[in-house]
Amino acid sequence: AQRVTQPEKLLSVFKGAPVELKCNYSYSGSPELFWYVQYSRQRLQLLLRHISRESIKGFTADLNKGETSFHLKKPFAQEEDSAMYYCALPKRYQLIWGAGTKLIIKP
Amino acid sequence: GAGVSQTPSNKVTEKGKYVELRCDPISGHTALYWYRQSLGQGPEFLIYFQGTGAADDSGLPNDRFFAVRPEGSVSTLKIQRTERGDSAVYLCASSPSSALGTGELFFGEGSRLTVL
Repeated sequence: AQRVTQPEKLLSVFKGAPVELKCNYSYSGSPELFWYVQYSRQRLQLLLRHISRESIKGFTADLNKGETSFHLKKPFAQEEDSAMYYCALPKRYQLIWGAGTKLIIKP
Repeated sequence: GAGVSQTPSNKVTEKGKYVELRCDPISGHTALYWYRQSLGQGPEFLIYFQGTGAADDSGLPNDRFFAVRPEGSVSTLKIQRTERGDSAVYLCASSPSSALGTGELFFGEGSRLTVL
């Protein structure tokens, strides 16, 4: 069955430190994966998608098929990065979501 | 409006009552999704509409849940005989097409349902 696992419910790092939010998936085939973000008192929104290989707000994510991972990384965290982050995998018409990781950036 | 609009933002009801949650998607978006999010969890798929028809309702937990989109725009999620376990944030999202290849769903702010 398709599944997305985000092992950390909470991640707290200091401003300027590197950040890595973990996402592991189970899927047979070549998956498309996405990271969504929800800032405080805002709606859920797409952060980045695997297929576009883009960097958004300094974040990147590389698909590692061998480790079935799609970790989200940023070299230098900023206070405005504090938010809930969700990893998601498409399945037909729906997205399968991880439970989310709350990222707190300490000043 | 520019974004997906959901009403009410908060609904408190008593066990056994009937509830309707409304979603007004972005104009022109043919695909509409309902998700449910419980505390500490990611969104859970409920139903997907393409136009007026429910293309996939496999996520509806039981027959107390029903959703309609009669004119292919606004959608209403209906919950009969509410139970305490139905308490959650109900999220609506829309997208320009059915394809999830872009992965971009545009979400509303959600309707928080509390069943006492």
